[in-house]
Order: sequence, then C-alpha cells, then structure tokens
Amino acid sequence: QLQLQESGPGLVKPSETLSLTCIVSGDSISSNNYYWGWIRQPPGKGLEWIGNIYYSGSTYYNLSLKSRVTISVDMSKNQFSLKLSSVTAADTAVYYCARVLKSSAWVFDYWGQGTLVTVSS
Amino acid sequence: QSALTQPPSASGSPGQSVTISCTGTSSDVGNYNYVSWYQQHPGKAPKLIIYEVSKRPSGVPDRFSGSKSGNTASLTVSGLQAEDEADYYCSSYAGSSNLIFGVGTKLTVL
Repeated sequence: QLQLQESGPGLVKPSETLSLTCIVSGDSISSNNYYWGWIRQPPGKGLEWIGNIYYSGSTYYNLSLKSRVTISVDMSKNQFSLKLSSVTAADTAVYYCARVLKSSAWVFDYWGQGTLVTVSS
Repeated sequence: QSALTQPPSASGSPGQSVTISCTGTSSDVGNYNYVSWYQQHPGKAPKLIIYEVSKRPSGVPDRFSGSKSGNTASLTVSGLQAEDEADYYCSSYAGSSNLIFGVGTKLTVL
C-alpha cells in the first residue's frame, strides 16, 4: 500500500530556507509511471501547486515560486525533497507531497497527510 | 496566473444532486481536457475524485461525475450523502508545465 510521509521542521525563521522531505513507501520512486510533487495550503485557504519532479531529475515549477524552489530526488532512500528559500509569513502553510500520474497532466492520485510549516521569528 | 473561479459554497439535501462549477480561461480549462477535482474533509489531505474532466479513479462512487463546456468545468454529486460534505477543489493544466487550482467550494449537506 502506497504511503507518503512528509517530514521536516515545523517552524522556520523569516528569510531562512524551508526544507521538507517526502518518504515514499509501497512504491518505487524510480517508477516510469509517476512524477512526484509538492502542493501547499495556507491555513483556511486553497491549494497551490509548488512543483513536480521525475526520478530522472527533471523538474517543473510553479512560475510564481520558481526563483525560490528546488525539488530533488534521492532514489537510494526512495524519497524526494523540497527547499524553499527566503521564506516569509506568506509561506506559512500545510505542505503536502503527492504522487503524480505520468499518463496525464499533473494529476495527484495519492497524497501524504501534510505537515504544517510556520514561518515566524 | 489567477486561480480558477469556484462558488464559495454549495448545498443540497440528502438524495439530491448538486453541481459545482469551475471557471477558467481559454488558456487553461478551455484549452485542455486536463481538469481534475479533489475532495478535502476538514484536517485531511485532498483526495482525487475526477481527472481528465470526467474519469473516476478506482473506488470513487459513480455518484461523482464531471463535465466541461468551453472554459467551465463542472462536478456533479448525485444522491448526496452526509459524507459528501467537504471542500472541493478543481485544477487545470495551464500549458508550459503549469497547473492552477480553483479557490475551492464548501459543500454542505443540509
């Protein structure tokens, strides 16, 4: 059974870098059939796509975040990671990792439970 | 790019049908058959219920259906049940590897 689990600090200071990891179990991150992605949701607000990665390392980012986002994959640990630099209070959100159907266009078929990251000094 | 437009709320009584709209532009919803719908219960992760406008993942009841006309996609929930009360979000591929979500609709089962 596929499981995705986000991990990382729940509190990040303004101007610092937010770093999260998504550990994948029950499927191989090097599968030809899927991308892997990050989505966030500010408290009480809607969803925002951050970016996706293929196991080969190809990345695709939301243009509004592209200058601050880096997504990477570690096949040896079956996990992928998100780094968001120069954070502000506006980056406070629940961050979700998800599996993405390669046969379609950015369809998230399995999601992690999400992790709340608060940006505050 | 702006978020897709959805009504903030929708409601219906058990057994009834309700339709939620998702309006975009000719650059996203109107140009691609890559509209998805997600159901989110409070405190939970979103769940995929419709993709590619009208396809249902395995395990999603056929009470959920999707359609599209022009720049507007729609999600219809038939035979409303109490457990359908949740937030619903649409998303659309927007070209150049971009994806946008809708603002979300809170569905209340009266």
